Amino acid sequence: DGGITQSPKYLFRKEGQNVTLSCEQNLNHDAMYWYRQDPGQGLRLIYYSQIVNDFQKGDIAEGYSVSREKKESFPLTVTSAQKNPTAFYLCASRGTLDRGPMGQSNYGYTFGSGTRLTVV
Amino acid sequence: GQQLNQSPQSMFIQEGEDVSMNCTSSSIFNTWLWYKQDPGEGPVLLIALYKAGELTSNGRLTAQFGITRKDSFLNISASIPSDVGIYFCAGGYTNAGKSTFGDGTTLTVKP
Repeated sequence: DGGITQSPKYLFRKEGQNVTLSCEQNLNHDAMYWYRQDPGQGLRLIYYSQIVNDFQKGDIAEGYSVSREKKESFPLTVTSAQKNPTAFYLCASRGTLDRGPMGQSNYGYTFGSGTRLTVV
Repeated sequence: GQQLNQSPQSMFIQEGEDVSMNCTSSSIFNTWLWYKQDPGEGPVLLIALYKAGELTSNGRLTAQFGITRKDSFLNISASIPSDVGIYFCAGGYTNAGKSTFGDGTTLTVKP
């Protein structure tokens, strides 16, 4: 079955260490996204990529880095520069060739099941 | 970044009651999407709307794309315990790379 996989589900790191969160999709989707979710809050966009070897900053990119060397993969690195890294991280993908009935893009995202990062 | 106002922030209802929540924006969107997030999981798409005035149903869920293209609402009829979760709206533009999410409505259903 096609889907989007995030690993690991839970991750613990010591303060000051960099950590990389994995996101892999086999949906042949062009666009991939990283969101951060804090308790009781909505989704905030960290980075997104619409094509291989290209990505754009979202609303809260400081302290994070990404790469998009393959269409299937969009790993997120939480660096030591991120002041409050403990959060729930969600990866998503979207097929840019997908269209709604009126020809619009922006059909729904497919989300992974998330990685809960705790920095101690 | 762009903001969506989603309300209410939380709801506590009895099983069997109907639920209504909405999202408003100061800007026009070409698409409105509604998602549900179960605890500890990623959001799942419930309904997608592509045309102003469009009314779409998915089982007990009904959503509408506001005629001004600046708002959308989601109704859940005859709620059941498994409706518990966080409901997000998201607005998007044609050919834009990303959607904007509301802050979510947390729904609690009492048996």
